Amino acid sequence: SQTIHQWPATLVQPVGSPLSLECTVEGTSNPNLYWYRQAAGRGLQLLFYSIGIDQISSEVPQNLSASRPQDRQFILSSKKLLLSDSGFYLCAWSYDQNNEQFFGPGTRLTVL
Amino acid sequence: DAKTTQPPSMDCAEGRAANLPCNHSTISGNEYVYWYRQIHSQGPQYIIHGLKNNETNEMASLIITEDRKSSTLILPHATLRDTAVYYCIVRPSPLTSGSRLTFGEGTQLTVNP
Repeated sequence: SQTIHQWPATLVQPVGSPLSLECTVEGTSNPNLYWYRQAAGRGLQLLFYSIGIDQISSEVPQNLSASRPQDRQFILSSKKLLLSDSGFYLCAWSYDQNNEQFFGPGTRLTVL
Repeated sequence: DAKTTQPPSMDCAEGRAANLPCNHSTISGNEYVYWYRQIHSQGPQYIIHGLKNNETNEMASLIITEDRKSSTLILPHATLRDTAVYYCIVRPSPLTSGSRLTFGEGTQLTVNP
């Protein structure tokens, strides 16, 4: 069966510090991968999606970047965090662009 | 992308059916209606999707009107564990856009004992 992992589960970082969130998928090959952010009390916003290694599409301009160094690994990064980067970050995968997405447990980031 | 409209909150008694409405009057002919739910502090969970016909699975039923401008998610026997935010999403059709799921504010369903 397929599983998706995210870590860390929670993170508290000072403004201006770097960020690296990791997401890995097991049990499938060449998945589509996604990063979402959910601000407190708001809906999910798609940040990045990837259809293959080193193939990243950015949905909104922002302070974050994404990379996919391996088939089942998706990394969300920032060089300098802003207060507005606080939120609940969710990674998701799908078999292809026509199928439902499966979400990871999320990382709750607080920038102070 | 087709926009969806959902009530911000609903209440339901445990054991009764929960009927969650969604309006998507600008839906295109080849766009699907997807439903996800998100229990507090967890990732969203896929529930069901459909195009034209009504659909049923082990979690819920999806009723889509004939003109496809609205749909209803039905949880036949709601339990306390069904308390969550329910998102109605219309999936964009162009393949070049990837499989974006545009999440709105959803409906907070509270199942009461």
